[in-house]
Amino acid sequence: GEDVEQSLFLSVREGDSSVINCTYTDSSSTYLYWYKQEPGAGLQLLTYIFSNMDMKQDQRLTVLLNKKDKHLSLRIADTQTGDSAIYFCAESLDSNYQLIWGAGTKLIIKP
Amino acid sequence: ETGVTQSPTHLIKTRGQQVTLRCSSQSGHNTVSWYQQALGQGPQFIFQYYREEENGRGNFPPRFSGLQFPNYSSELNVNALELDDSALYLCASSLRGQGFSGANVLTFGAGSRLTVL
Repeated sequence: GEDVEQSLFLSVREGDSSVINCTYTDSSSTYLYWYKQEPGAGLQLLTYIFSNMDMKQDQRLTVLLNKKDKHLSLRIADTQTGDSAIYFCAESLDSNYQLIWGAGTKLIIKP
Repeated sequence: ETGVTQSPTHLIKTRGQQVTLRCSSQSGHNTVSWYQQALGQGPQFIFQYYREEENGRGNFPPRFSGLQFPNYSSELNVNALELDDSALYLCASSLRGQGFSGANVLTFGAGSRLTVL
């Protein structure tokens, strides 16, 4: 069945890099996404990657995809206090009308 | 360009009641999806509307129903409310082509938080 898993918390020091990991089970994933959710705000798309790519970089964000291991990661360089949020990994399948979501990873920034 | 707006932002209902949640799509978008997000969990897909018809549905009972209007705005209706329906209900709009290929890039509203007592 479809399942997306993430660790619940990640704590990093301000200025360090954050790496948030995600695993998924469905090999028919077409796109994989990273969204950010701040308190009282909607989910904000950060980036997405097509399943036949293995890396995508966008300013401070780097996405790595290992399709063989069904593992996705999001690296945030030079983490700032404004990066504090819950980060969700999601996948879309061949049907492409819905996203399957992980439970989210809460990123905690230590001064 | 306006984003996705949802109303109401918060509401409290009792078991057995009915609720209607509303969503205005982002300008230029033609597709609306609804998700339920329970506390501490990721969103769960309820259904999607495209061209005023339900285009796909998640694992939710028929008491969850929806509408999409010609201006692409949408409603989510939930009948016979249960305690487990307490959650944040998220509306997301997107622009889909007829073939539904490509990334499913969703723009979310801030959500309607429903509490069922």
